[in-house]
Formats: sequence, C-alpha cells, structure tokens
Amino acid sequence: QSALTQPASVSGSPGQSITISCTGTSSDIGTYNFVSWYQQHPGKAPKLMIFEVNKRPSGVSNRFSGSKSGDTASLTISGLQAEDEADYYCCSYAGSRFWVFGGGTKLTVL
Amino acid sequence: EVHLVESGGGLVQPGGSLRLSCAVSGITSSTHWMSWVRQAPGRGLEWVTMIKEDGSRAHYVDSVKGRFTISRDNAKHSLYLQLNNLRVEDTAVYYCATFEDDGDYFDYWGQGTLVTVSS
Repeated sequence: QSALTQPASVSGSPGQSITISCTGTSSDIGTYNFVSWYQQHPGKAPKLMIFEVNKRPSGVSNRFSGSKSGDTASLTISGLQAEDEADYYCCSYAGSRFWVFGGGTKLTVL
Repeated sequence: EVHLVESGGGLVQPGGSLRLSCAVSGITSSTHWMSWVRQAPGRGLEWVTMIKEDGSRAHYVDSVKGRFTISRDNAKHSLYLQLNNLRVEDTAVYYCATFEDDGDYFDYWGQGTLVTVSS
C-alpha cells in the first residue's frame, strides 16, 4: 500500500501549460478509472479538481484537465494563473476498499 | 453551501485517546459516505477511514486498525473519530470529507483539526 508517485515540484510562467504526473501500479491506477486530483493552498483544505480521471466538478475551470495512460495519471493546467500556485495531490482507488494518495506536487507560478 | 467543521483536536501523550467530531451542514449527510483523511506536518494526504451512509460498514487503513473507530450520528448530522492508543506518528491535521461512492472521490472537505501526539 505505497503512496502514488508525484514529482515534488513543477513550475511554469503565467499563460503556459504544465503537467503533473502521478504514477501508481497495476493494482491501483492501472486497474481503476477512479483517479481524482485535489488542489491545496497553504493552510487550507483540499479542493476537488478532477474526478474519475478526467471529469471536472461544477465550478472548476476548464483550464484543468486529467488523463490516464497505463499506470500513470496526469493533471494538466493550461493558461497558468497566479492563483493556481498550490500543492496538488492525486488519489486512486486501490482495491479492497483502500484509497491511496500521491505525495503531492508543489506548483510554482514564476 | 456545504460546510464541514471539525473539532476535538489537541495535544495528547503517546498511548492516550482523543475523540474528533465533524459537524455537517448544507447537505443531507445521511445520504453520503463520510471519511477522515489526515496530513502529517509538511507531508502529503493519507486516507484513514470511511463509513457507509447508515453506519453499517466501515473501512480503515492498516496502520490504524484496532486503534481508531469511525462512527456517525445522522440525526445530529455529525461524524466522529475515536482515536485510541495514539502514537507519535499519528500527529497530523485530520480532515473530514464527504465521499462520493459512485466515482470514488472526496468532494467536500472541512478545514481540519490538529492532533499532536507528544510526551
């Protein structure tokens, strides 16, 4: 039951696009399309940004998109804005009623 | 608007106990699975436990099985987490969150309550 693997940090300039990867195994991301992504600003609660790999909740900007290939899921943010600077976490169902998060990625908007 | 407000955190010695509460408003909590997710200082998120809408079923991460117990009182729109035999490594902010079972995601989150286990 290891955590999903995310890069510790990514950065981009305003207006650019960035992609955050989330690597799991054949027991979690590779088997289930239950991948979700969360945004967390310092000292704040996490916020759901993407669910079921590529679906956006109501109110989340369409600049955020998700995808999956094999054991790796990705979150892409296009048209970077200053307010996107935050920590991002992926999460996947891992079977046997267990859910696993990634270690988190700190996004810096330059 | 959905609000989840946690309470009950604090400083406790190793081996001690604590009971966390989460008050839910803005949704019919009795129709949602509910969960606790924790975040150790400077670390990532970790799913801890969740409970079915009617309280009939619960699931736990291995590291807390036998020590933590999740429960709910739908009449009071409240979720609880009893933490027993606490360890230093249980130190974290504990968030309650609603869980959408048809899609497996955590949709609404509270602001969290800090549990510090230290002698």
